[in-house]
Amino acid sequence: DTAVSQTPKYLVTQMGNDKSIKCEQNLGHDTMYWYKQDSKKFLKIMFSYNNKELIINETVPNRFSPKSPDKAHLNLHINSLELGDSAVYFCASSLAQGDEQYFGPGTRLTVT
Amino acid sequence: GDSVTQMEGPVTLSEEAFLTINCTYTATGYPSLFWYVQYPGEGLQLLLKATKADDKGSNKGFEATYRKETTSFHLEKGSVQVSDSAVYFCALRRTGNQFYFGTGTSLTVIP
Repeated sequence: DTAVSQTPKYLVTQMGNDKSIKCEQNLGHDTMYWYKQDSKKFLKIMFSYNNKELIINETVPNRFSPKSPDKAHLNLHINSLELGDSAVYFCASSLAQGDEQYFGPGTRLTVT
Repeated sequence: GDSVTQMEGPVTLSEEAFLTINCTYTATGYPSLFWYVQYPGEGLQLLLKATKADDKGSNKGFEATYRKETTSFHLEKGSVQVSDSAVYFCALRRTGNQFYFGTGTSLTVIP
């Protein structure tokens, strides 16, 4: 059973488009996260939700909007995609804030 | 503010060589420290952790000791294998329970 899953695994799209990435965890965790990993492997947190409520919102363009329909899901919607958005996006979850994080396999987004 | 500094890679070693990846931290209070590993094409996985000074975390032959006097948490393995090729991330859990990851160190082990 996959603990943290993301779809799609690969996403290639053109500048200006709007796209979404979905994340689901079946671990019963309360906290979920979105990270962006650039081409140099630098990992930066974007958002964190606890029980469907936003608790961390780092400096991220407002073109990025997370949505948590329930505590097992945290989706990421991106409007007006730009070349600089190309990266690997990781979803993660933890039992509570500050606990060990379990990462999904990543979504490689390429904007052309 | 709290931060983690990792040695820059890439690191290339021959099989059975000794591995050290340096990690130092800056933090107020007493953070918990972690090493995560990312194998090619996969997400990060927790490798080991230490929650207080002098604790030693260990897993899969890897070890790291939380050294408060040198604010370090260096990762070591006595004999690396090709299957250890991955990117290794040092991380700390900040006050307020937020994680901060280092920039990652890429390790390639050649037969």
